[in-house]
Amino acid sequence: EAGVVQSPRYKIIEKKQPVAFWCNPISGHNTLYWYLQNLGQGPELLIRYENEEAVDDSQLPKDRFSAERLKGVDSTLKIQPAELGDSAVYLCASSSLNEGSDTQYFGPGTRLTVL
Amino acid sequence: AQSVTQPDIHITVSEGASLELRCNYSYGATPYLFWYVQSPGQGLQLLLKYFSGDTLVQGIKGFEAEFKRSQSSFNLRKPSVHWSDAAEYFCAVGMGAGNMLTFGGGTRLMVKP
Repeated sequence: EAGVVQSPRYKIIEKKQPVAFWCNPISGHNTLYWYLQNLGQGPELLIRYENEEAVDDSQLPKDRFSAERLKGVDSTLKIQPAELGDSAVYLCASSSLNEGSDTQYFGPGTRLTVL
Repeated sequence: AQSVTQPDIHITVSEGASLELRCNYSYGATPYLFWYVQSPGQGLQLLLKYFSGDTLVQGIKGFEAEFKRSQSSFNLRKPSVHWSDAAEYFCAVGMGAGNMLTFGGGTRLMVKP
């Protein structure tokens, strides 16, 4: 079974430029999460989707960040414009309510460097 | 709101020695508890999890963890560390199926030959 797929793995951009990250969750997983991981810290939730609905986006900086999961499968996270402080790893995870647990499976992440 | 504390930022052990990584959580109800491992440049891999039942849980790669409600702890242990165990370890607490995880700050494990 394929795991959570993310692309790109690495992205270097200049500040004020836009950037987008893509995530494809494990097949059949209806819940999708985007986490932000700063260097030397644990991941922090940005947004959580149940199918195509964003059910928890309280930590998403909505002035510059946006996300979508149009068909309830893959998802895109966008930053526009990027700032120096956005340099971090962006992790995508997925889980299945059908498993009756809270086990989240993580992708390899996208490491963003803003110059 | 729930929180997780991993008191040790760095730990160094010799190969073959035993290991214990500490994790304390704050949560009002019975938590869902997890340990993940992250190697450099990699995503998080689940080592083990606790939802209910036996408070001593076994995971992959020879790891185990014990849930102690009275101490609000979920410490990770391994009887004999291998060089390949060098990585960053994260403890996390969840509120239930489909909900977010709250992570601790992580413990970086270094293994001496």
